[in-house]
Amino acid sequence: AQSVTQLDSQVPVFEEAPVELRCNYSSSVSVYLFWYVQYPNQGLQLLLKYLSGSTLVESINGFEAEFNKSQTSFHLRKPSVHISDTAEYFCAVSDKRAAGNKLTFGGGTRVLVKP
Amino acid sequence: GAGVSQSPRYKVAKRGQDVALRCDPISGHVSLFWYQQALGQGPEFLTYFQNEAQLDKSGLPSDRFFAERPEGSVSTLKIQRTQQEDSAVYLCASSLGTSEKLFFGSGTQLSVL
Repeated sequence: AQSVTQLDSQVPVFEEAPVELRCNYSSSVSVYLFWYVQYPNQGLQLLLKYLSGSTLVESINGFEAEFNKSQTSFHLRKPSVHISDTAEYFCAVSDKRAAGNKLTFGGGTRVLVKP
Repeated sequence: GAGVSQSPRYKVAKRGQDVALRCDPISGHVSLFWYQQALGQGPEFLTYFQNEAQLDKSGLPSDRFFAERPEGSVSTLKIQRTQQEDSAVYLCASSLGTSEKLFFGSGTQLSVL
């Protein structure tokens, strides 16, 4: 079984400031790691994922996340946020041995970008 | 359609009523998942289909919950004798294969009064 902890339920941040969303997971097996984003009134969208290889993964809109196996973390960062980044962000894991999309989610972090 | 479609968008039910929630996955998507998202929490896995076969229903919270996908396309999640704790957003997601990118619908918000 896996569990995911997102330490911050809400993160207010000013426009153009950096942001970090913390994610820690617990699992007895090897996992894939994901960040999903949910914009207001929209469905969840995949932001980025770590499957293997380089521990630093990037999204097309400037977010990056680093897999740290020793700390069982997958924190999400963006050096300069925009108003349009206001959304809820979910960290998730899946068991590598199982159906790849059976996801275990964290509780979410709501990011509010202020002008 | 271009994305995963769920209906109705909102559903209000009296306690004890049966409800049926519909999911139209992206055409050609083999895998279909249902998740339940309670207020202020992350989504939780309910059940998984590969085509018409329900391969995993370990997340269904009770025998009042039933899901089907008879022709391997549209899926219905049925909740019998709804209770207040069933109030949540029910999310459907589909993908081409078991490890392909997952596409989520906007969900059905169920409120049980």
